[in-house]
Amino acid sequence: GEDVEQSLFLSVREGDSSVINCTYTDSSSTYLYWYKQEPGAGLQLLTYIFSNMDMKQDQRLTVLLNKKDKHLSLRIADTQTGDSAIYFCAANKFYFGSGTKLNVKP
Amino acid sequence: NAGVTQTPKFRVLKTGQSMTLLCAQDMNHEYMYWYRQDPGMGLRLIHYSVGEGTTAKGEVPDGYNVSRLKKQNFLLGLESAAPSQTSVYFCASTHSPGRVYGNTIYFGEGSWLTVV
Repeated sequence: GEDVEQSLFLSVREGDSSVINCTYTDSSSTYLYWYKQEPGAGLQLLTYIFSNMDMKQDQRLTVLLNKKDKHLSLRIADTQTGDSAIYFCAANKFYFGSGTKLNVKP
Repeated sequence: NAGVTQTPKFRVLKTGQSMTLLCAQDMNHEYMYWYRQDPGMGLRLIHYSVGEGTTAKGEVPDGYNVSRLKKQNFLLGLESAAPSQTSVYFCASTHSPGRVYGNTIYFGEGSWLTVV
C-alpha cells in the first residue's frame, strides 16, 4: 500500500496562518484530499486536488502540491478557534495519514 | 438525504463475543469501505467493496468479515472479538472512479466499540 505521513500536532494563535504538511509515496496518486475531523464526529471533506494541479484555493484554504517531492500542504488563513480539529490527508481513496491535531489558541 | 449511516454508535463487547456493524448509504454509491481509527494511527482500511456481491481485503482485514448483499448496505462482522479490536470504526462510500464527482468520499459518524 501507500504510505502517507503527517506530523501529529500543530499549535497556532488565532488569526495566524496554519500550514499542515503531508508526504506520500505513490507517485501515481491521482487525487489527494484533505479531511477535517472534529471531536466525536466523522470525517468531513475539506478540499481535494488533482495530481495535474499545483495549487488550489478555496476561501481560507490553500492546497499546494509538489509532485516532484510528493508533498502536499494545507494552509488555513486567519485561523479561528473553530478550526481546531484533526486534519487528515489522503491519497486516492484508501490511504490516510495519521492526522494532524490542530490546536488554535485564543 | 441521510448520506452514510452506521449502527450501532456505541457498543461494549466481552472478549469472544460476536457482533455486526451495519453501514447503509442512500446515494447509490458503488464503492463502500470500512476503516478503523486508532490514536496516532489515522484511518486504516479493513475491507472494501466495489459493488454488490463483491468484497476485498484492505490493510488490516484479520479478525473481520464483511458482506455486501445489497448495494446500499455493507456489513462488518467480528466473529470473536478481541481487546485489540477496541477502536472507532468508520464506514464510507463513494461512486466508482470516472464519474464527475466520483472521488468524494462520504463518511459515517463512527461506531465506538470497546472489547473488555
